[in-house]
Amino acid sequence: GQQLNQSPQSMFIQEGEDVSMNCTSSSIFNTWLWYKQEPGEGPVLLIALYKAGELTSNGRLTAQFGITRKDSFLNISASIPSDVGIYFCAGQRFSGGGADGLTFGKGTHLIIQP
Amino acid sequence: GAGVSQSPSNKVTEKGKDVELRCDPISGHTALYWYRQSLGQGLEFLIYFQGNSAPDKSGLPSDRFSAERTGGSVSTLTIQRTQQEDSAVYLCASSQSGNTQYFGPGTRLTVL
Repeated sequence: GQQLNQSPQSMFIQEGEDVSMNCTSSSIFNTWLWYKQEPGEGPVLLIALYKAGELTSNGRLTAQFGITRKDSFLNISASIPSDVGIYFCAGQRFSGGGADGLTFGKGTHLIIQP
Repeated sequence: GAGVSQSPSNKVTEKGKDVELRCDPISGHTALYWYRQSLGQGLEFLIYFQGNSAPDKSGLPSDRFSAERTGGSVSTLTIQRTQQEDSAVYLCASSQSGNTQYFGPGTRLTVL
């Protein structure tokens, strides 16, 4: 099935560094979402974006919905050890029956080196 | 309140056997979604329920996969004649009328 193009695949950073990851798509989505997944758990929603061009923050996290509705980025400032995990972008469309299933990127694996 | 729960958490089965995976959504959530996550991959959409009906079954990979939802609550994903390529984590999510999807912890299926 269709997947979003998410990059980078993995990031090895030092604690305290800023992180940036992004997703692109060939098609338009109504909503962009960013999730974090830790081992043995389901994804947890971090930020939801509903309007083209929207910039939203959640603590040290900032995400933007691209003006074309085909891309989004997520920034994490001043990374801390608990930021370790896999970050997924997801796009959502709404049809007559309601919200369609999410289309996910392959994830960015964030590793923080001591 | 309670989140989405799934059972079993782990399932090991032999090739050719049938398996049933269960999802209990958050109480009051009308929409329920099933996804599959293969090792090192993102989540792949399988099927979506609005109430008891399934408007979108487009993601089911083959006719060995089926799902039902009864009473607008619990859902069961059934995989018949399992194959090794079915090994994955199967995740369920629920939402209130198309809003934020909340995920369960998943069922890790291993087909030997």
